[in-house]
Amino acid sequence: AQSVTQPDIHITVSEGASLELRCNYSYGATPYLFWYVQSPGQGLQLLLKYFSGDTLVQGIKGFEAEFKRSQSSFNLRKPSVHWSDAAEYFCAVGFVMDSNYQLIWGAGTKLIIKP
Amino acid sequence: DVKVTQSSRYLVKRTGEKVFLECVQDMDHENMFWYRQDPGLGLRLIYFSYDVKMKEKGDIPEGYSVSREKKERFSLILESASTNQTSMYLCASSPLGAAKPPLHFGNGTRLTVT
Repeated sequence: AQSVTQPDIHITVSEGASLELRCNYSYGATPYLFWYVQSPGQGLQLLLKYFSGDTLVQGIKGFEAEFKRSQSSFNLRKPSVHWSDAAEYFCAVGFVMDSNYQLIWGAGTKLIIKP
Repeated sequence: DVKVTQSSRYLVKRTGEKVFLECVQDMDHENMFWYRQDPGLGLRLIYFSYDVKMKEKGDIPEGYSVSREKKERFSLILESASTNQTSMYLCASSPLGAAKPPLHFGNGTRLTVT
């Protein structure tokens, strides 16, 4: 069955350090790939998406993600985090199953920023 | 700015009550979604609507119904609230199109059923 895994429930990073959040999926073809951020008390905001083409995708707020087909991964990166990046991050993967499009969500990774 | 507005931030209801969660978007989006968010489970789709009066069941529709009488408004109804429906509910919208990911989210309604 199709699935999305975010292996890290929490990640703690020092302010100014680099960040990588992992997302792996299980699907036979190339899916549609998304990263969202949820700041405390807020709804989710779409950071970036991958449909096709260049496997390195630039998003808002200085984030980027790289699709690696061989690893079935779509990891989110930022070269230098800011305290305002503390939030929960969700990976979502779009699949076509039985002619129906479905979007499956990872369980989320909570990012904690150390001053 | 696009706005998806959920009418209540917090709701406390009793078991067996009929509960209405309201969502309004101002971007003339065709697609609207209701999700339930629980810790460790990510988001689970309850219902999806791609047009007025059109709806599709999501992953967990049991115990819920929806209404979309106007394009901008999508209501989630808990016919008889139960304690296992205590959760955060998120409404979202997006324009019609391939892959149709939810683009804009409301701030959520935290529902407690006692």
